[in-house]
Amino acid sequence: GQNIDQPTEMTATEGAIVQINCTYQTSGFNGLFWYQQHAGEAPTFLSYNVLDGLEEKGRFSSFLSRSKGYSYLLLKELQMKDSASYLCAVPFMDSNYQLIWGAGTKLIIKP
Amino acid sequence: DAGVTQSPTHLIKTRGQQVTLRCSPKSGHDTVSWYQQALGQGPQFIFQYYEEEERQRGNFPDRFSGHQFPNYSSELNVNALLLGDSALYLCASSRGTSGRAVETQYFGPGTRLLVL
Repeated sequence: GQNIDQPTEMTATEGAIVQINCTYQTSGFNGLFWYQQHAGEAPTFLSYNVLDGLEEKGRFSSFLSRSKGYSYLLLKELQMKDSASYLCAVPFMDSNYQLIWGAGTKLIIKP
Repeated sequence: DAGVTQSPTHLIKTRGQQVTLRCSPKSGHDTVSWYQQALGQGPQFIFQYYEEEERQRGNFPDRFSGHQFPNYSSELNVNALLLGDSALYLCASSRGTSGRAVETQYFGPGTRLLVL
């Protein structure tokens, strides 16, 4: 089967750096997505990693280690607007069409 | 460039009723996926439509059905509503013909359904 684990909630300070972890168990692997979701809104795409290593996009970076079944999302120079849930998702191995989602990590930013 | 749109934004129904939710995909996208998201949970895959056919289905009962039209827009129908069907229903669109194995999905704003 497939399983995705993320911490339920994290708190960080404005201007700081935070790392949100995601571990997954799959029978195969075809990439990992990170999405941001503000309360009551739809998820918005942040990143897609299929190869090991760190990919940087402005203040957000995403890391993948396929051998460890592990990914993290790194947010730098935190802003109040970064308060949101961050979800990781992997394609379901019986079909590339279906995404399996973690429950999301609620990030709370304090002044 | 219009993104994914969904209607209505909010809906209140009573148990046993039927509901239809609508989705128009992002320009250039031909594939539509539907998800159910309960509060504090990740989205749960309902099904995906491509070329007007259901291509993949998640673990949802037959009360959940859908349709895709020639213009790639899609509908989600839920019959015999239960209290537990109260959730945010998300539509996501993607390109199904690029040849890549996995395509990024882009979400609409969702329809919040409350069943009383």
